[in-house]
Amino acid sequence: AQKITQTQPGMFVQEKEAVTLDCTYDTSDPSYGLFWYKQPSSGEMIFLIYQGSYDQQNATEGRYSLNFQKARKSANLVISASQLGDSAMYFCAMRERSSSASKIIFGSGTRLSIRP
Amino acid sequence: ETGVTQTPRHLVMGMTNKKSLKCEQHLGHNAMYWYKQSAKKPLELMFVYNFKEQTENNSVPSRFSPECPNSSHLFLHLHTLQPEDSALYLCASSQDPGTADQPQHFGDGTRLSIL
Repeated sequence: AQKITQTQPGMFVQEKEAVTLDCTYDTSDPSYGLFWYKQPSSGEMIFLIYQGSYDQQNATEGRYSLNFQKARKSANLVISASQLGDSAMYFCAMRERSSSASKIIFGSGTRLSIRP
Repeated sequence: ETGVTQTPRHLVMGMTNKKSLKCEQHLGHNAMYWYKQSAKKPLELMFVYNFKEQTENNSVPSRFSPECPNSSHLFLHLHTLQPEDSALYLCASSQDPGTADQPQHFGDGTRLSIL
């Protein structure tokens, strides 16, 4: 069964520090995609970064990078030089290539709070 | 601006009312989705439309009725809702639902409260 686990319900980080948000997944499909989304208090879900299961290098997008460890089935999000605007809920998600109709499974999320 | 617009942003309705949520995407995508997000629960997929055809219904109660007149518009018609239906309803779209590497782009959501 497909499963996404985010073990950190909440985190507090000092501004300008780096932060790692944990995500582990479980799948028997050799081909899958991993996504991270940010949800501010206003509600919108903002796509941040994508990692494919066959990608050789870790994905990076600006201050966001994905620490992809395939053997351990983990896809942690790293935010460098955190800013006050990074305070939000963060969701890890996965889609298997064999899934019908583009079904994405989301984790329960981590609430990140940045302290000034 | 995500390219996916949802209206209204907030909706309060009684259990006997009928209302509709609207979603419009300006990204030229082929697939559209409805999600429900309740407090302290993961995002739940409700419906998927691919090229206007419904391809997935995740055992959603019939008091929720989706409609997709074209690839750019998606509606969720609400009728005789229950208090437990109070949640944030998110619409999303993606380019190609058949590939694993296409992210879904979300709207701002409609926060629904059932009295």
